[in-house]
Amino acid sequence: GENVEQHPSTLSVQEGDSAVIKCTYSDSASNYFPWYKQELGKRPQLIIDIRSNVGEKKDQRIAVTLNKTAKHFSLHITETQPEDSAVYFCAARNDYKLSFGAGTTVTVRA
Amino acid sequence: NAGVTQTPKFRILKIGQSMTLQCTQDMNHNYMYWYRQDPGMGLKLIYYSVGAGITDKGEVPNGYNVSRSTTEDFPLRLELAAPSQTSVYFCASSDDRGRGNSPLHFGNGTRLTVT
Repeated sequence: GENVEQHPSTLSVQEGDSAVIKCTYSDSASNYFPWYKQELGKRPQLIIDIRSNVGEKKDQRIAVTLNKTAKHFSLHITETQPEDSAVYFCAARNDYKLSFGAGTTVTVRA
Repeated sequence: NAGVTQTPKFRILKIGQSMTLQCTQDMNHNYMYWYRQDPGMGLKLIYYSVGAGITDKGEVPNGYNVSRSTTEDFPLRLELAAPSQTSVYFCASSDDRGRGNSPLHFGNGTRLTVT
């Protein structure tokens, strides 16, 4: 099955700086890579996703890049704000099953 | 649309008891999933279903059972609850139309404690 590794496990950034989270996956057949944000006690919420035929996607302050050859993808958050503090999960999907990374706790310092 | 609805929100079980976690969606999605999330961890797939009458095991199916008699409902059954099943359980659905690349819509979760 698919194995998704996510780094770092915790990330502290100064407000206004950028945050980068990296993930690798094992199954070359995976074709869909979403990122979820989860606030304490809440459900995961999709923030951005990318499909295997696309190398980069951007939505305002959030961007995701995908390198299928190397089997890794990354989340970039620019101009971080206090409301960006949360746990972020990457995931990879193959055969209708979505496998998650272990999560990155992002703290934005004011 | 209510989306994905899970009940109950919280439950405390004694070891050896059984219960059913309910999940229903009103988006006419074919694909439904059950995940568990242990404290400080990612989500692990328990079971999934690609349509009514079809279910399959995920990464951590032991101690659980599911059924999918309708498109809308996907209940998760715990038999003989154990402390290791203390977790938050999320149900999700997606409308894949055969492509496997559509986002999952999550319910609000059920927080289960087994003591």
